[in-house]
Amino acid sequence: EPEVTQTPSHQVTQMGQEVILRCVPISNHLYFYWYRQILGQKVEFLVSFYNNEISEKSEIFDDQFSVERPDGSNFTLKIRSTKLEDSAMYFCASSAKQGHQPQHFGDGTRLSIL
Amino acid sequence: GQNIDQPTEMTATEGAIVQINCTYQTSGFNGLFWYQQHAGEAPTFLSYNVLDGLEEKGRFSSFLSRSKGYSYLLLKELQMKDSASYLCAVSLISWGKLQFGAGTQVVVTP
Repeated sequence: EPEVTQTPSHQVTQMGQEVILRCVPISNHLYFYWYRQILGQKVEFLVSFYNNEISEKSEIFDDQFSVERPDGSNFTLKIRSTKLEDSAMYFCASSAKQGHQPQHFGDGTRLSIL
Repeated sequence: GQNIDQPTEMTATEGAIVQINCTYQTSGFNGLFWYQQHAGEAPTFLSYNVLDGLEEKGRFSSFLSRSKGYSYLLLKELQMKDSASYLCAVSLISWGKLQFGAGTQVVVTP
């Protein structure tokens, strides 16, 4: 069964450094999402992406965050200058159709900011 | 504002049935999803309701009442591997983003 893959599984970074989290969505999916989950808290929406542009973003997704689909398969989340509070599990998800089709989640990247 | 409520934890015995309730107050409702999440792992899709009524899928069933802003997930013939967090998530009309509840931790005991 096709799946969403994310790399790395765990990233440890010094505060203030840039990080790039990578995702390969399911190949025939058109809608891409990033969510995050701080330890012990609920899953929170960050951004949705369709047709090579951001379709919606949350208040969390400030100027320090950006997303890109550099080629036909990868979907990346960049955090320019990381803060301690960015420590969380970051999930990439994709769906074939927005709303009425389930979003399939990758295994996540655990980001630890020191 | 958006609000999704579900119980924090439920405990049940192997072989039993458990019902996890979810109430929501959102604008732009486009459907309700249930996901299962084992500790440290990704949410995995269980079921989806957009119309009122019951959807059955093996041991799992989900019900929706849009007028009441209410859904439940029913887990039958509980197995030890069903011990996990169950997430209620509302899909919103705007680009299908999911608004998650805090999750219900189900503990299955022998």
